[in-house]
Amino acid sequence: EPEVTQTPSHQVTQMGQEVILRCVPISNHLYFYWYRQILGQKVEFLVSFYNNEISEKSEIFDDQFSVERPDGSNFTLKIRSTKLEDSAMYFCASSYNSPISRRAETQYFGPGTRLLVL
Amino acid sequence: QKEVEQNSGPLSVPEGAIASLNCTYSDRGSQSFFWYRQYSGKSPELIMFIYSNGDKEDGRFTAQLNKASQYVSLLIRDSQPSDSATYLCAVNKGSGGSYIPTFGRGTSLIVHP
Repeated sequence: EPEVTQTPSHQVTQMGQEVILRCVPISNHLYFYWYRQILGQKVEFLVSFYNNEISEKSEIFDDQFSVERPDGSNFTLKIRSTKLEDSAMYFCASSYNSPISRRAETQYFGPGTRLLVL
Repeated sequence: QKEVEQNSGPLSVPEGAIASLNCTYSDRGSQSFFWYRQYSGKSPELIMFIYSNGDKEDGRFTAQLNKASQYVSLLIRDSQPSDSATYLCAVNKGSGGSYIPTFGRGTSLIVHP
């Protein structure tokens, strides 16, 4: 069964460093997403991406964040200058249909990257 | 500010019983409602979504939506120990082509043999 993969599974970095989290969405999916979940907290939407551009972003997704689809398979989240509060689990997800369509809106989540900023 | 509220639990039910999970939301303009299951240390997995008032059934799961009262619930029939997980409610305003879901903190469900 196709699945979303994410690398690395764990990342430890120093405050102020740049990190890139990588995701390989399911191959025929068109919509891509990043979420984060601080330990013990809610899942929070960061950004959605379609047709090589950001569709929507939340208030969390400020200038220190960026996303890119550098080739036909990878989808990356870059955090330019990490802060302690960026420590969280970051989930990538993908879907075939638009998230606002009323057809099967299943988003498939990857296993996550646990980011720890020291 | 949009809020999605869930009782954190844990909700403990015996195997074979019906588990009832509830969620309330504050934004009356919300259009789409989702239930996710999240096992400890794992990623969320979509169980059901619902848009219209009433019930929607899928196997052992039934989602119920009441927009007038601003709540959505999930019933799990014939609960199994493998259903033990945290259940996340997510709500999306969905108007004007927007998709920015707001998640609740989740309800922990324990199904004991």
